[in-house]
Amino acid sequence: AQSVAQPEDQVNVAEGNPLTVKCTYSVSGNPYLFWYVQYPNRGLQFLLKYITGDNLVKGSYGFEAEFNKSQTSFHLKKPSALVSDSALYFCAVSVNNAGNMLTFGGGTRLMVKP
Amino acid sequence: GAGVSQTPSNKVTEKGKYVELRCDPISGHTALYWYRQSLGQGPEFLIYFQGTGAADDSGLPNDRFFAVRPEGSVSTLKIQRTERGDSAVYLCASSLFPKGPRGDTQYFGPGTRLTVL
Repeated sequence: AQSVAQPEDQVNVAEGNPLTVKCTYSVSGNPYLFWYVQYPNRGLQFLLKYITGDNLVKGSYGFEAEFNKSQTSFHLKKPSALVSDSALYFCAVSVNNAGNMLTFGGGTRLMVKP
Repeated sequence: GAGVSQTPSNKVTEKGKYVELRCDPISGHTALYWYRQSLGQGPEFLIYFQGTGAADDSGLPNDRFFAVRPEGSVSTLKIQRTERGDSAVYLCASSLFPKGPRGDTQYFGPGTRLTVL
């Protein structure tokens, strides 16, 4: 069985400060890891993914995430937060390269204050 | 280009009724997924299609739920004898299912909010 944990229900950060949204996972085998963002009344938007290779993955809107196999983590980061980054963020894991279900964490609400 | 579209955006029904939710995937995407997102939770997998066939339906909660994709494009999620616990946002996603090591990415539609009274 695979699972994802997002330990923080909400993260508050001031605009211009760096942000981190935490994610840990549990899978049998090699993980394929994803971050999605959800704005109100909209579907999930893909931010970035880790499949293989470099542990630091860069994605959309200046976001990046670091894969840490020993800590089974895939934390989302951004050097300088924007108020427009305020949204609900979901981490997800799959055990196949393609054609398999994503298992999502419970989500973390990011609040960026001006 | 056009993304994944879902209709209706909202559906209110009464307990015991039958509902159909529709998903139009991104053109050319061979894989299609249905997820259910309850309030305050992350999406949960329901079923995955590769072409016309259901490759994995392990997430369907019971036999009241059924999904089809007869021509390998549009999919319909069907719920019989709806219950109040079925109230949720039903999300559809599609992916290109490419071969090779770059991996696949699922792109989501805006969802259908189902309310069972």
